[in-house]
Amino acid sequence: GESVGLHLPTLSVQEGDNSIINCAYSNSASDYFIWYKQESGKGPQFIIDIRSNMDKRQGQRVTVLLNKTVKHLSLQIAATQPGDSAVYFCAENGPPGTYKYIFGTGTRLKVLA
Amino acid sequence: DTEVTQTPKHLVMGMTNKKSLKCEQHMGHRAMYWYKQKAKKPPELMFVYSYEKLSINESVPSRFSPECPNSSLLNLHLHALQPEDSALYLCASSQVPVRGSHEQYFGPGTRLTVT
Repeated sequence: GESVGLHLPTLSVQEGDNSIINCAYSNSASDYFIWYKQESGKGPQFIIDIRSNMDKRQGQRVTVLLNKTVKHLSLQIAATQPGDSAVYFCAENGPPGTYKYIFGTGTRLKVLA
Repeated sequence: DTEVTQTPKHLVMGMTNKKSLKCEQHMGHRAMYWYKQKAKKPPELMFVYSYEKLSINESVPSRFSPECPNSSLLNLHLHALQPEDSALYLCASSQVPVRGSHEQYFGPGTRLTVT
């Protein structure tokens, strides 16, 4: 989850298709993960979270999958809409039980009409 | 209500000015945070307050001075800033992680420009 570089990875998806945004997290001891959506000029918006005792959690049109074996997190958005266009960040708690959250580098989602 | 409010929305200040950023939440959260975010980068933690006491200072220069007057309010006092301090300043709040971490809610941010 270290931030590197100035260029955000971009995922372009056709409106109505499903989107999958991936995140590799850094600490195998992390036990709590959050996905945020950040629209241009706004603060990050909480989307969904998951604890390490789960491998899947569903929300409204979103699903988070956690693979602890390979330290991988994904966010699936069903039936992607233009309003889903934003930068998506994953965050892990680090170390667990502390106040620090380690953010991933972010992925820009572009929804094509 | 999961709202964190921040004022002002935009701020332009000279390098000799003194200004303050304000943050407020009414979710009963006893942990409050200041982050700095540069363009195309994730938020970087600056300060954490827990039960109105400074818990974490991520080696932030002294020209940034946080203050937590009560459990709902968080301020960031700015003095003698540099142009490279121009960024989006984000406030966030969460429950205190006594038995594990909790969701953290962000405000809309203050866009700061130092001239």
